[in-house]
Amino acid sequence: DVQLVQSGGGLVQPGGSLRLSCAASGFIFDDYTMHWVRQVPGKGLEWVSLISWDGSKTEYADSVKGRFTVSRDNSRNSVHLQMNSLRTEDSALYFCAKDCGGACLSVWLFDSWGPGTVVTVSS
Amino acid sequence: EIMMTQSPVTLSVSPGESATLSCRANQSINSDLAWYQQKHGQAPRLLIYGASTRATGVPARFSGSASGTEFTLTISSLQSGDFAVYYCQQYNAWPLAFGGGTKVETK
Repeated sequence: DVQLVQSGGGLVQPGGSLRLSCAASGFIFDDYTMHWVRQVPGKGLEWVSLISWDGSKTEYADSVKGRFTVSRDNSRNSVHLQMNSLRTEDSALYFCAKDCGGACLSVWLFDSWGPGTVVTVSS
Repeated sequence: EIMMTQSPVTLSVSPGESATLSCRANQSINSDLAWYQQKHGQAPRLLIYGASTRATGVPARFSGSASGTEFTLTISSLQSGDFAVYYCQQYNAWPLAFGGGTKVETK
């Protein structure tokens, strides 16, 4: 079974930094694009970032571009989200998610999700 | 930028009845549309992709359809575990976008 174990959330002041991590198991990690999606409590879902299977392609939502950096370590089956210059509006539950890939005959949709990790940006 | 609009925001349905949820894209996304179910306190779960294909393990009472830029998720004979929030997502173009969600609640 696919497992995505997340870590790294917490409370940080505006302007600060946090690094989220997601450890994957149960699938061939370096076959898949990985994503980050966030959700403000009680609100909808917002796609944040993706990284291709080999790390050569990354994409970001405009709301985080230039502040967040996604990376992966295929030797450790992990993906990370470095969040800098954090703003109060970045406060949310952050999910890492596995791209569906070939199983869905397409990419950029999510077939497995981590439990989420809470990021709170507040002074 | 592609925007996804879901309606209604809340749908009150009795167990055993059917529910019809709508999702509209502001431009063509072909059939690059997925539906997710999110129960309280849980991560979303993929239900439908390609507008109408059920994901692995999803019961047949969940069905998706499309007409142009209008997409529909139908849940027939609602069961207690189906009361949740449902999101559509387009994966046709950047940035990937979700609809605002429809909450299906017990009538």
